[in-house]
Amino acid sequence: SQKIEQNSEALNIQEGKTATLTCNYTNYSPAYLQWYRQDPGRGPVFLLLIRENEKEKRKERLKVTFDTTLKQSLFHITASQPADSATYLCALPTTGGFKTIFGAGTRLFVKA
Amino acid sequence: GAGVSQSPRYKVAKRGQDVALRCDPISGHVSLFWYQQALGQGPEFLTYFQNEAQLDKSGLPSDRFFAERPEGSVSTLKIQRTQQEDSAVYLCASSALQGAPLGSGANVLTFGAGSRLTVL
Repeated sequence: SQKIEQNSEALNIQEGKTATLTCNYTNYSPAYLQWYRQDPGRGPVFLLLIRENEKEKRKERLKVTFDTTLKQSLFHITASQPADSATYLCALPTTGGFKTIFGAGTRLFVKA
Repeated sequence: GAGVSQSPRYKVAKRGQDVALRCDPISGHVSLFWYQQALGQGPEFLTYFQNEAQLDKSGLPSDRFFAERPEGSVSTLKIQRTQQEDSAVYLCASSALQGAPLGSGANVLTFGAGSRLTVL
């Protein structure tokens, strides 16, 4: 079955450093991949989408890469700030369907 | 409305009670999704509507769970005879995209804040 794996351990980094989060998937080839941010008590918020024919996408301090050979996406936050502290979810469409499945998310803590 | 609205935000139910959770999607959004999120986990798909048609309900955990969207806008998720394992946050999301062949569009979801259900 289609699976998404994200690092379940929380990531703690110092303000100003680059945070890198990993998303691995198995058993399918998605046409695109998405990253969402979720704060406690709130629903996920869409951040970025990258398509299978794109190797890299940037938006302000965010950068996403998509390696369809490794079946992996990396999500980078440069010059991180305490306000970036949240859970980041990787999401993929299922093959032949219309539903989106999510990874368990990685909790990021940025210390001032 | 400007965003996806869910009510109630918090619901405490005694085991065996029925509950109804409401979702008001973004006006004009064709697609509506329900997800269940346990503590520390990612959202798990429950069901999907395109307008009023329920096209996928493969994620509903049991026949105690029922969802409807009779007029293609507001949706209700009903849980009958609640059990403790039903305690979770129930998230609703909507999307402007109609069901389309994969690759011809991207399904970006706008979520509500969720309804937190606690079954005692």
